[in-house]
Amino acid sequence: RKEVEQDPGPFNVPEGATVAFNCTYSNSASQSFFWYRQDCRKEPKLLMSVYSSGNEDGRFTAQLNRASQYISLLIRDSKLSDSATYLCVVIVSGSARQLTFGSGTQLTVLP
Amino acid sequence: DADVTQTPRNRITKTGKRIMLECSQTKGHDRMYWYRQDPGLGLRLIYYSFDVKDINKGEISDGYSVSRQAQAKFSLSLESAIPNQTALYFCATSDPNSQPQHFGDGTRLSIL
Repeated sequence: RKEVEQDPGPFNVPEGATVAFNCTYSNSASQSFFWYRQDCRKEPKLLMSVYSSGNEDGRFTAQLNRASQYISLLIRDSKLSDSATYLCVVIVSGSARQLTFGSGTQLTVLP
Repeated sequence: DADVTQTPRNRITKTGKRIMLECSQTKGHDRMYWYRQDPGLGLRLIYYSFDVKDINKGEISDGYSVSRQAQAKFSLSLESAIPNQTALYFCATSDPNSQPQHFGDGTRLSIL
């Protein structure tokens, strides 16, 4: 079983739609959680951290459910520029702050 | 100028050749990392270094070696390249209390 699992998609949605991505992690000692964005053939870039109480950054909302070992990312009012692959990332306690990446969920926002 | 620079950006080579990928950074970060990315597998950690005298194996270090020549430079070597090392390679840096969030542009390596 992968340590971090994501639905690979692709998700194809129209502009203005709301879309949600899910991610599950297997190690209960995971302590820090992030969403990264990766454009085609480009480097990953940090989109947002995920906090236990949930957090929002503009059109993006991230939530964490420790009991279910589940992370989500919600994108409201999708833009064409949101088209990318979204990577769920976890740091496990005691792992010297190494990142463990999910394989990513591909999103295409259609005009 | 980019904060994290990888060279070369693209490389095609033959099985058995020795390859070196270089990474340099201007962020002043102590920690540097090498990852590879394969379709459907996400990024996997190859090696990491917390300072010039510290080198650690990651998840998939077999077939690779690294050298931390200075705080700003961290190179990855494939001593005898094989086709299943064809991948996109990323270098990343971080300061001690944050995740590696500064990635280079990547090196696309193809081994024939």
